[in-house]
Amino acid sequence: DQQVKQNSPSLSVQEGRISILNCDYTNSMFDYFLWYKKYPAEGPTFLISISSIKDKNEDGRFTVFLNKSAKHLSLHIVPSQPGDSAVYFCAAGHFMKTSYDKVIFGPGTSLSVIP
Amino acid sequence: EAQVTQNPRYLITVTGKKLTVTCSQNMNHEYMSWYRQDPGLGLRQIYYSMNVEVTDKGDVPEGYKVSRKEKRNFPLILESPSPNQTSLYFCASSLRGGFLNYGYTFGSGTRLTVV
Repeated sequence: DQQVKQNSPSLSVQEGRISILNCDYTNSMFDYFLWYKKYPAEGPTFLISISSIKDKNEDGRFTVFLNKSAKHLSLHIVPSQPGDSAVYFCAAGHFMKTSYDKVIFGPGTSLSVIP
Repeated sequence: EAQVTQNPRYLITVTGKKLTVTCSQNMNHEYMSWYRQDPGLGLRQIYYSMNVEVTDKGDVPEGYKVSRKEKRNFPLILESPSPNQTSLYFCASSLRGGFLNYGYTFGSGTRLTVV
């Protein structure tokens, strides 16, 4: 049973428009959420994160929204650029101060931004 | 340049022929981990290591072995590869096990095909 779900395997968006990538989780213990971006032939790289004490975090064109009651988060990219075309992984974790943080990755959403 | 280096990038092998995928990091990170990426399943953890001589199973350890004799190296060993181990493999490292505080640095991946 997948604890982190990204129900859209792919998404196409016109350049300049908004991209919205969605992620749902089932484990109520998760208290920290991250988005990773992956280009072909490269490893994933960190994009943006949010902790459960917030409902929004913004970094330039990227904003992550968290709805804890719905166990749902979304990544907004505004405006979308062709260079944003990549696979985006949602990840959720439980912060454990003194030991290893267990992190679960979603299956990924492939975003294509069309010029 | 701070990085995680995996070798080889691509590997085609036959069922039952032992192989090793190497992983090395130059950041003096304590924590290292192996993931496999499969379509629709995202990144699933195989094994991790909190420090030298300390390793533990992740979510999908069957058919794999690891060792951590030196801080910088964390090889993944497939003693008797089978076709269901055909996948894209990523090595990752972090300053400590606290993924949520320190983040992961990923290698560029190893595409393994077992025929």
